[in-house]
Amino acid sequence: VHLVDSGGGLVHPGGTLRLSCVASGFTFSDFWMSWVRQVPGKGLEWVANIEGPGNERHYLDSVKGRFTISRDNAKNSLYLQMNSLRAEDTATYHCARAGGVFDSWGRGTLVTVS
Amino acid sequence: EIVLTQSPGALSFSPGDRATLSCRASQSVSSNYVVWYQQKPGQVPRLLIYGASTRFTDIPDRFSGSGSGTDFTLTISRLEPEDFAVYYCQQYGSYPFTFGPGTKVDIK
Repeated sequence: VHLVDSGGGLVHPGGTLRLSCVASGFTFSDFWMSWVRQVPGKGLEWVANIEGPGNERHYLDSVKGRFTISRDNAKNSLYLQMNSLRAEDTATYHCARAGGVFDSWGRGTLVTVS
Repeated sequence: EIVLTQSPGALSFSPGDRATLSCRASQSVSSNYVVWYQQKPGQVPRLLIYGASTRFTDIPDRFSGSGSGTDFTLTISRLEPEDFAVYYCQQYGSYPFTFGPGTKVDIK
């Protein structure tokens, strides 16, 4: 299992970013996928998840209406569209396999809102 | 939202010691859906235990999980040098999934 996240960067408050995660080594469409973030040196926070076919999605309350999780199973890819970014969204964002028990993690991509 | 508390925030042990880490939930966790992860500096979290007590693939048997309802425990029977790290609990019984703040296990 290999997950490679990308798309982070420095953005002003109110700005947008789109994170991507390319998966390999497993049948991507069979698995729920998630985004989990971690403020450098701090704890972990689940952000969103999406079921295999892509119909059912769940979000952390503080990102609802601002972030959208999606996937393209033909490309083995997971996405996180982040709009109206706030300083408190600053973190390293990891894609993770599965909906709630995260058995594989991407290395993460750093999002800085400042 | 279920708030998970891990206290104390740090514990000091010697190699070979038995370590018992606590995770307390603000309300009962459905189906005891609690996970434990280990994280070392510069690394991503590593899944140790899921369903409160099921050891994940290739996790040494010195790691064990127990508990139900609101009180969960991770036990490391004999600490090896590579076990000094931060340990997080997480619940996936209800949305939003939440993590505890972590317990750092360091060398005495």
